[in-house]
Amino acid sequence: ETGVTQTPRHLVMGMTNKKSLKCEQHLGHNAMYWYKQSAKKPLELMFVYNFKEQTENNSVPSRFSPECPNSSHLFLHLHTLQPEDSALYLCASSQRSERGNEQFFGPGTRLTVL
Amino acid sequence: GNSVTQMEGPVTLSEEAFLTINCTYTATGYPSLFWYVQYPGEGLQLLLKATKADDKGSNKGFEATYRKETTSFHLEKGSVQVSDSAVYFCALSDGWGGGNKLTFGTGTQLKVEL
Repeated sequence: ETGVTQTPRHLVMGMTNKKSLKCEQHLGHNAMYWYKQSAKKPLELMFVYNFKEQTENNSVPSRFSPECPNSSHLFLHLHTLQPEDSALYLCASSQRSERGNEQFFGPGTRLTVL
Repeated sequence: GNSVTQMEGPVTLSEEAFLTINCTYTATGYPSLFWYVQYPGEGLQLLLKATKADDKGSNKGFEATYRKETTSFHLEKGSVQVSDSAVYFCALSDGWGGGNKLTFGTGTQLKVEL
C-alpha cells in the first residue's frame, strides 16, 4: 500500500450503531487530520493530531471520537450519529514544517446515517 | 486570521478552451500555496504548489504563480480536456504560525464539454 488509505470506502449505519473509520498513512508523516465534506458546504477540519497528540478539536460533537495509537494510524469512532452526519469523511497526513507542507489525502469514507 | 477566496462555480467550458480559476488569499505570515483537485467519488489530490513569492507551480498542463503583491494564486490551463472536469480547491498553509493546518477555499467546479 502507498499513500493514505481509508477503510471502509462506504458505510451505512443506523442512528444507534457504533462503527469506526480507519486511516493509515505509509508516508512517514508526523501529523494526521480528519475532515468532513458535506454537499454544498466548505471542507470542515474536525481533528488534528501531531506526533500522536491531539492538538485541535474544532467543536466536534462528542458522538465523534478520534484515536491515534501511533503516527501511522488514525481512527474515528462513531456512535449515536444523526442523519445530518452523512458526508464524505476524509483523512489526510503531512510532515510538519516551518513553512507548511501539503497534506496528502485518502480516498474518503462515504458515510450514510439512516 | 487566514482565508482563501475562490471564484464561484460551476465553470463550464468547451474542450480546448483556456481556463482561469481565480484565487486570492489573506494570511498573517508567509504562506505556502496549493491547488488541489477532487474527481467525483475521490479524495483530494495535490495538483501543484508554490512556497514563496514569484514561484510558479505546474503539473499536467496547469500552472499557478504566487503573486505576493496581489495576494493571488490563479490557476490556468491553456487547453482543457473533458477529463479535467472536477472540483478545484485553492489552499494555503503558513507553517508554525497556522499550526501547519491548511486553509481551503470553497472549491470551484469545472465542467468541460465536447
